[in-house]
Amino acid sequence: AQSVSQHNHHVILSEAASLELGCNYSYGGTVNLFWYVQYPGQHLQLLLKYFSGDPLVKGIKGFEAEFIKSKFSFNLRKPSVQWSDTAEYFCAARGGGGNMLTFGGGTRLMVKP
Amino acid sequence: DGGITQSPKYLFRKEGQNVTLSCEQNLNHDAMYWYRQDPGQGLRLIYYSQIVNDFQKGDIAEGYSVSREKKESFPLTVTSAQKNPTAFYLCASSIGVGRRSLTDTQYFGPGTRLTVL
Repeated sequence: AQSVSQHNHHVILSEAASLELGCNYSYGGTVNLFWYVQYPGQHLQLLLKYFSGDPLVKGIKGFEAEFIKSKFSFNLRKPSVQWSDTAEYFCAARGGGGNMLTFGGGTRLMVKP
Repeated sequence: DGGITQSPKYLFRKEGQNVTLSCEQNLNHDAMYWYRQDPGQGLRLIYYSQIVNDFQKGDIAEGYSVSREKKESFPLTVTSAQKNPTAFYLCASSIGVGRRSLTDTQYFGPGTRLTVL
């Protein structure tokens, strides 16, 4: 079965620290990858997505993610986090043939001011 | 103002009662989805619908039912058969398979938090 793994369930950082959240998927073949963010009290929002082309994808609010096919990974990065980045982050994947997403378990990020 | 609306925001139910969660979208999307979110488990797919009058079970459909009589509406009923219904329920929509380019993306509503008393 296809699966998506997020290894860090909780991450605590100080403001200005660099962020990297891991995401690994188990799909073979063509894969589409997504990062969603859920700020406290808000609905799930799309941060960025990868379909094809440049494996380094830039999203909103200074986030980026790199697709590394050989490692089946799509890690999310931000060079300098802010208190407002406190949220839960979800990685999701979809095989190239359909539109069903499989989500990882989520990573709760807390940024201390 | 385009988007996905879910109502109510909070819902309380007594054990043994069925309850229906509303999801409406005005994005002209063909596909709609229901997910359940539990702490540490991410989002799990309950049901999805690619087109009006058609829907398919997701990974955890037991104890739930849906209908898709209109393109813009996809209500979810949590039945008394669902053993652990307390959760956060999210509805999503996307352009869909019929008109899908390779860039089909799901957009989410604000969610309904269901608590069984």
